[in-house]
Amino acid sequence: DIVMTQSPDSLPVSLGERATINCKSSQSVLFSSDNKNYLAWYQQKPGQPPKLLIYWASTRESGVPDRFSGSGSGTDFTLTISSLQPEDVAVYYCQQYYNTPRTFGQGTKVEIK
Amino acid sequence: DVQLVESGGGLVQPGGSLRLSCAAAGFTFSDYAMHWVRQAPGMGLEYVSVISNNGGRTNYAQSVKGRFTISRDNSKNTLYLQMDSLTPEDMAMYYCARAERGYTYGSHFDYWGQGALVTVSP
Repeated sequence: DIVMTQSPDSLPVSLGERATINCKSSQSVLFSSDNKNYLAWYQQKPGQPPKLLIYWASTRESGVPDRFSGSGSGTDFTLTISSLQPEDVAVYYCQQYYNTPRTFGQGTKVEIK
Repeated sequence: DVQLVESGGGLVQPGGSLRLSCAAAGFTFSDYAMHWVRQAPGMGLEYVSVISNNGGRTNYAQSVKGRFTISRDNSKNTLYLQMDSLTPEDMAMYYCARAERGYTYGSHFDYWGQGALVTVSP
């Protein structure tokens, strides 16, 4: 199984400041035949199901604010919130869909400093 | 609009069984692979199982293999998870999720249900 490791576990950020979450996979999730990184980011607010933010490592889902961006390739990925808003307080998960089982990172809790 | 609605959760004793359902609407159900993901209280997301769009292929997490069975009825637009020999470690919110098309088990999970809570306790 591919192990996904996120850092940090908790991230206090001041409103309007940048939040950066890292995700590392135990093996590459870049598929050579299509040059795509099989990685997604999800946001989960308390009492709600996860919501898709980013897929193919850097493609923003429709309706997701452009302050959210994804980057990286191979085994190292980053989710960036360029200017933290109150509604961004949540737990963020990365997930690989390169193979099955579709494993998730342990989550990063973003809170207001 | 795409809708996924889970049902069938509840309280069960250790060793017991439950069957979860996920009713889908707003899309052509038979075009999409479907997944079950669970989340224990206060914990992260854990993949449970997946089924291909036509039901011909399935896969399970090691933690549930041999105890859980995923299935689907495309004529009823419904996904199922039969859970047997339940233990307290299976206690969680169970989400069904649609995987975007293009691969046997789909790609990223673009829609999630609200979840069904399974409690395993004597």
